[in-house]
Amino acid sequence: QKEVEQNSGPLSVPEGAIASLNCTYSDRVSQSFFWYRQYSGKSPELIMSIYSNGDKEDGRFTAQLNKASQYVSLLIRDSQPSDSATYLCAVEKDSSYKLIFGSGTRLLVRP
Amino acid sequence: DTGVSQDPRHKITKRGQNVTFRCDPISEHNRLYWYRQTLGQGPEFLTYFQNEAQLEKSRLLSDRFSAERPKGSFSTLEIQRTEQGDSAMYLCASSLTLGADNEQFFGPGTRLTVL
Repeated sequence: QKEVEQNSGPLSVPEGAIASLNCTYSDRVSQSFFWYRQYSGKSPELIMSIYSNGDKEDGRFTAQLNKASQYVSLLIRDSQPSDSATYLCAVEKDSSYKLIFGSGTRLLVRP
Repeated sequence: DTGVSQDPRHKITKRGQNVTFRCDPISEHNRLYWYRQTLGQGPEFLTYFQNEAQLEKSRLLSDRFSAERPKGSFSTLEIQRTEQGDSAMYLCASSLTLGADNEQFFGPGTRLTVL
C-alpha cells in the first residue's frame, strides 16, 4: 500500500464546474496536509495547507480533512481551463518535516 | 524575486561524470529540502537541513550523493559517478518553521539528463 494514494486521472470537467480531487493516506499520526499544483514541466506550487479536521477555504479552493477516515480532498469551484494541471497531495510524515507525495491527479478543464 | 532559486535549470551529462546543483532558499527560511521527481511520480524526499545541520537522509540517497549547506544559507547537491537512473528533476524547497506550520515552497528545479 502506498503511503499517499491519489487517482491518477485524468479527471475531466467542463469549465465552470466543481472539480473534486481526493487523497488517502496510511499514517494515522500525520498532522499536516498540503495540496500542490504542478503544470507540465514546472515545479510544484503550494495551493493549500490544512491541519485540522473540517474545511478550509481560500478563494475558489476548499481543502477538506477527515483524520478518522484518513482522507483529504481539494475542491475547485468555477473551474477554469487554466486550472488544468496535475494536483499533488502531500502528507508530512511523523512530524518529521519531510513530505510524502502522492503520484498526483491530472485535471483537465474543458472550455 | 525572493523565491527559491536553483542553478542550473538543466544539466546534460555523460554517465560516470560528477554533477553539482545549487539551491538558494527564501532568505529567512531555516529549513531546506531536496526532493527528486521522475515522470509520472510525485516528488520523493532525499534530505533536509535545519540551518546548517543535515538532519535526515533518505535511503534513496546512495553514497554517490552528498549534500551540504554551509553557514545555513545556500545548499549544494553533488552526484558522483552519475548513472542513467539518476536522470530526474531535482527539486529544492524551503520552509520557515513556526509552530506546526511546515509549508514548503519549491524552486524551479534542475532537470538532469544522464546519457
